[in-house]
Amino acid sequence: EPEVTQTPSHQVTQMGQEVILRCVPISNHLYFYWYRQILGQKVEFLVSFYNNEISEKSEIFDDQFSVERPDGSNFTLKIRSTKLEDSAMYFCASSDGLGTANTGELFFGEGSRLTVL
Amino acid sequence: ELKVEQNPLFLSMQEGKNYTIYCNYSTTSDRLYWYRQDPGKSLESLFVLLSNGAVKQEGRLMASLDTKARLSTLHITAAVHDLSATYFCAVFGNEKLTFGTGTRLTIIP
Repeated sequence: EPEVTQTPSHQVTQMGQEVILRCVPISNHLYFYWYRQILGQKVEFLVSFYNNEISEKSEIFDDQFSVERPDGSNFTLKIRSTKLEDSAMYFCASSDGLGTANTGELFFGEGSRLTVL
Repeated sequence: ELKVEQNPLFLSMQEGKNYTIYCNYSTTSDRLYWYRQDPGKSLESLFVLLSNGAVKQEGRLMASLDTKARLSTLHITAAVHDLSATYFCAVFGNEKLTFGTGTRLTIIP
């Protein structure tokens, strides 16, 4: 069964360092998302991406964050200068949209746990 | 801004009992999803509800959607230990899925 894959599963970094989280969405999906979840808390939206551009972003997604789809398969989230409060689980998701045969549901990867020291 | 609230936040229930989790949302939408999350794991899709009056059932779980009341329910019948997890409802609007606060369900033998 197709799935969303994320790497790395866990990354530990020093405050101020740049981090890139990678995702391979399901191959025929067109909509891509990043969410984050601080331990024990709710799942927060970061950004949605469609047709090679950002379609929506949250207040959390400030100038320190960027997303890119460098080739036909990968979808990356970059944090330029990490802060302690960026420590969280980051989930990538993809969707095939809401068409006649589609449900629009988001399929989530296993997550990348980021720890900023 | 779309707000999604769930209650209760925490629920302990005995095996064999029935209970309902409620999900209210603030603006019009006819796309609502339920997810399950086990500790330290990802989000597993449970139900997709795309119209007013939609009802879906899978095993001991049943979900429904009332778009006029902006309310969805997740009903648990004769709970078993395997259902212990955190359950999230999520509503689609403004190009994104907004998650509820989650309900941490613990089934006690």
